[in-house]
Amino acid sequence: GAVVSQHPSWVICKSGTSVKIECRSLDFQATTMFWYRQFPKQSLMLMATSNEGSKATYEQGVEKDKFLINHASLTLSTLTVTSAHPEDSSFYICSAIPGGGRATEQFFGPGTRLTVL
Amino acid sequence: QKEVEQDPGPLSVPEGAIVSLNCTYSNSAFQYFMWYRQYSRKGPELLMYTYSSGNKEDGRFTAQVDKSSKYISLFIRDSQPSDSATYLCATPLGGGSNYKLTFGKGTLLTVNP
Repeated sequence: GAVVSQHPSWVICKSGTSVKIECRSLDFQATTMFWYRQFPKQSLMLMATSNEGSKATYEQGVEKDKFLINHASLTLSTLTVTSAHPEDSSFYICSAIPGGGRATEQFFGPGTRLTVL
Repeated sequence: QKEVEQDPGPLSVPEGAIVSLNCTYSNSAFQYFMWYRQYSRKGPELLMYTYSSGNKEDGRFTAQVDKSSKYISLFIRDSQPSDSATYLCATPLGGGSNYKLTFGKGTLLTVNP
């Protein structure tokens, strides 16, 4: 099956610093990638839709200046949490859809656990 | 009302039991329904999906949709300790094969040896 990787798998940072998370589709090209956030014992909440070569589309309530998304190639999307604060501590998960695919063909990465001290 | 509602459990069963996991949805226009399994500290993996109503079987797993009651179910037969995980139901917003998914809260299942 298709594989999506994330790096790093976990990160601890100090409040006020920025953190970049990478999402890569390893064996397919993904024109669309998604970024989700998951708090403990909560469901996945969609943050933004990332399309290669264009600006990301953010869900209501998600600050685009705080969560910067760059989908520079067909296999890589990055999420940068700027000026991170403890309330940004969460599990961040990306997913990717092969070109021409559907929602049923969305493959998820293993997630990145962010802890902001 | 959320698009998809799911009882978070937790649910604990003995090995070999039949497990029933359930979700309800709010919009009768929804047509695709997915079940994902998520192990602790991992990303979700797609177990199976159904389109419209009826049953779909894959090994020990059966997904069922009842459109009249807006109810979706996942049954696990002969449950194994390796089935211990959180199970999430999901549906594409907009009802069709649209990319954006909305998820239920997930049900934490523990299968005891």
